[in-house]
Amino acid sequence: NAGVTQTPKFQVLKTGQSMTLQCAQDMNHEYMSWYRQDPGMGLRLIHYSVGAGITDQGEVPNGYNVSRSTTEDFPLRLLSAAPSQTSVYFCASSYSLPAGRREKLFFGSGTQLSVL
Amino acid sequence: EDQVTQSPEALRLQEGESSSLNCSYTVSGLRGLFWYRQDPGKGPEFLFTLYSAGEEKEKERLKATLTKKESFLHITAPKPEDSATYLCAVQSLMDTGRRALTFGSGTRLQVQP
Repeated sequence: NAGVTQTPKFQVLKTGQSMTLQCAQDMNHEYMSWYRQDPGMGLRLIHYSVGAGITDQGEVPNGYNVSRSTTEDFPLRLLSAAPSQTSVYFCASSYSLPAGRREKLFFGSGTQLSVL
Repeated sequence: EDQVTQSPEALRLQEGESSSLNCSYTVSGLRGLFWYRQDPGKGPEFLFTLYSAGEEKEKERLKATLTKKESFLHITAPKPEDSATYLCAVQSLMDTGRRALTFGSGTRLQVQP
């Protein structure tokens, strides 16, 4: 199994440009999510999905869109990039234990995004 | 609002010098507390989940413990390969659908030979 695969590894955008960060997992996990990691701050949830066709907002969703057409893929779209979106982005997936308990998250290796 | 505070921010140890990392948390009912390890340029890697006060888990030189207000990650006789950033995260009982974790900013551990 490849686990969680993210592309690209690095990306530089100009303000106002749009792009899509790709995320794919081969573990048949129903839950997928996007986090951003900024220096001195904890990882923050952007969007998440509990299954194909179902997505919802996390803590910091503004400026980002997601879709989940298949179990495997969960792309993150930046609509009009801003310097405040300069960050490292991580995709993560998991399955759940009974009674709502979370099983461990499997993270991708991240995308380092710079917006000039 | 759920909060996770980790201390110290950075820790430098000599090989073999045992120490502990602290994770203090406030949460609206704890569903689970998680420890992750993150190497530079990589995503976090799962270490432990703790669900209730008094619970302990061990893996090689690492031992995680949990009280009602904090968790400790004890590192016994560390080796240079234990150098990494260690992240603590909590999931709240109030969080059902999102299944989101609230992360601390991490402790950067450096073990010198």
